[in-house]
Amino acid sequence: AQSVTQPDIHITVSEGASLELRCNYSYGATPYLFWYVQSPGQGLQLLLKYFSGDTLVQGIKGFEAEFKRSQSSFNLRKPSVHWSDAAEYFCAVEFSGGYNKLIFGAGTRLAVHP
Amino acid sequence: EAQVTQNPRYLITVTGKKLTVTCSQNMNHEYMSWYRQDPGLGLRQIYYSMNVEVTDKGDVPEGYKVSRKEKRNFPLILESPSPNQTSLYFCASRKQGALNTEAFFGQGTRLTVV
Repeated sequence: AQSVTQPDIHITVSEGASLELRCNYSYGATPYLFWYVQSPGQGLQLLLKYFSGDTLVQGIKGFEAEFKRSQSSFNLRKPSVHWSDAAEYFCAVEFSGGYNKLIFGAGTRLAVHP
Repeated sequence: EAQVTQNPRYLITVTGKKLTVTCSQNMNHEYMSWYRQDPGLGLRQIYYSMNVEVTDKGDVPEGYKVSRKEKRNFPLILESPSPNQTSLYFCASRKQGALNTEAFFGQGTRLTVV
């Protein structure tokens, strides 16, 4: 069955440190890939997406993600974290023939220490 | 402004008392869906609709109903709510069938069933 795994439930980093959030998927072909962020009390905001082409994609708020087909991964990165980045991050995939259905990972909650 | 609007944002109700959570979008999107978000489980799809009068079950449809009489509205109905339906609910809309599109999410409805 198709699935999405975010191995880290909680991550804590210091402000200014680099960040990498992991995402792996299970599927026989290349899906469409997304990262969403959910700030406290808010809905989900799209950070970035990958459909095809360049495997390194740039998003909003200084985030980027790299698609690695050999590892079935789509990890999210940021070189220098700001306190306002504290939120929950969701990786999501859409599989071809999935009728626009998004399948979400369990989420990674990011805490930022000053 | 493009948006998905859910109401109410917060709701506390008692077991068995029918309730409806409304969802409306102003982007003329064909595809709409409902998700519930639970800790450690991410977002799981409850129901989706590919257009007016076309709805189908998602991954966790038990205890829920939906309708799609108009393109802009997609209400979620709990005929007889139970405590296990206490959750955070999100409505989303997306342009149907087009590549390179993102899903837009409402602000969420936090439901507590006592």
